[in-house]
Amino acid sequence: DAMVIQNPRYQVTQFGKPVTLSCSQTLNHNVMYWYQQKSSQAPKLLFHYYDKDFNNEADTPDNFQSRRPNTSFCFLDIRSPGLGDAAMYLCATSRGGTGNTEAFFGQGTRLTVV
Amino acid sequence: AQSVTQPDIHITVSEGASLELRCNYSYGATPYLFWYVQSPGQGLQLLLKYFSGDTLVQGIKGFEAEFKRSQSSFNLRKPSVHWSDAAEYFCAVGVREYGNKLVFGAGTILRVKS
Repeated sequence: DAMVIQNPRYQVTQFGKPVTLSCSQTLNHNVMYWYQQKSSQAPKLLFHYYDKDFNNEADTPDNFQSRRPNTSFCFLDIRSPGLGDAAMYLCATSRGGTGNTEAFFGQGTRLTVV
Repeated sequence: AQSVTQPDIHITVSEGASLELRCNYSYGATPYLFWYVQSPGQGLQLLLKYFSGDTLVQGIKGFEAEFKRSQSSFNLRKPSVHWSDAAEYFCAVGVREYGNKLVFGAGTILRVKS
């Protein structure tokens, strides 16, 4: 029973053409995260939503945006993908608060830029 | 700033041999610590977590990890490795703000030889 679902699993987009990746969750978690993982590297947090509050990491490029229309869904928008944006994009969720919560990850979307 | 160091990029062990993957962290408070496993092209699966209490934690697939505050370490162990354990392993520290965003180490690729 998948709890964090990412669509599509594989996405090919053209250089400069806007692309949207989607994530949905059935856990009713307050927090949703987007991580970028380039080949042979650790996942790196781009931003996260705590309920409707958006929290951007300081070094996330402006080219990356996110939307969370409701608790269950979160989208990653790349306005003008460059070759350097080719990566695995991982969505994760966790309960809110500062207590002992763990993150649940989706299977990821592999983005190729041509 | 929070950081995680995994000093071994690659490790090769024989099937049936014991395994230890090293992880050191830097965090100003009592850390929340995690080990995740990632198979090629897949998302991250949680192996185990430490929040508080007993410093030896048991996880899935026969893995365990020991939190040592004096050494700022959280090493992952398994007494007998199976070929299916070949994957990449990530250690992470949970930053306790807005739901525990994760800071990952660079990962250790485990190869299992028969």
